[in-house]
Amino acid sequence: GENVEQHPSTLSVQEGDSAVIKCTYSDSASNYFPWYKQELGKGPQLIIDIRSNVGEKKDQRIAVTLNKTAKHFSLHITETQPEDSAVYFCAASSRGSARQLTFGSGTQLTVLP
Amino acid sequence: GAGVSQSPSNKVTEKGKDVELRCDPISGHTALYWYRQSLGQGLEFLIYFQGNSAPDKSGLPSDRFSAERTGGSVSTLTIQRTQQEDSAVYLCASSLSRRGSTDTQYFGPGTRLTVL
Repeated sequence: GENVEQHPSTLSVQEGDSAVIKCTYSDSASNYFPWYKQELGKGPQLIIDIRSNVGEKKDQRIAVTLNKTAKHFSLHITETQPEDSAVYFCAASSRGSARQLTFGSGTQLTVLP
Repeated sequence: GAGVSQSPSNKVTEKGKDVELRCDPISGHTALYWYRQSLGQGLEFLIYFQGNSAPDKSGLPSDRFSAERTGGSVSTLTIQRTQQEDSAVYLCASSLSRRGSTDTQYFGPGTRLTVL
């Protein structure tokens, strides 16, 4: 089955700096890669996703890049703000009947004011 | 519109008791998923429902866990004879699940289960 590894587990940045979170996946059949943000006591919320037919996607301060050959994808947050502080999860989904997501272990991002 | 809702938000039970957790998916979403999130961990897939098809139960950790989805909408996750290691946040998600596409999964707020 699919295995997703996520690094780093914790990340602290100064407000205004950029943050980068990296994930690798094992199943070359995976074709959908969402990123979720989870605030304390809440369910994960989708912030951006990318499919295997593109290499990069951007939405305002957030961007995701995908390298299918190396089987890794990354989340980039620019001009970080204190409200970006949360746990971020990457995930991968492979073709198949279930399409369940396999999640990384999460990154606790802290943006220091 | 309304998102995925789950109840109860918190459940404390004694070891050996049975519990039922409820999920109301987004209206019109045909796919429904249950995940488990242990403290400080990522999400672990439990079970998947798609329309009227037989559910994918491949993620259920033991036969004490079961789930059903009535009328293609509301789902109930049941844990029998709860153990302390069952303590976790149980998350439900739903998606449109259009044919041939991997659709966004929208998560509910979760039910925090504590087994004493």
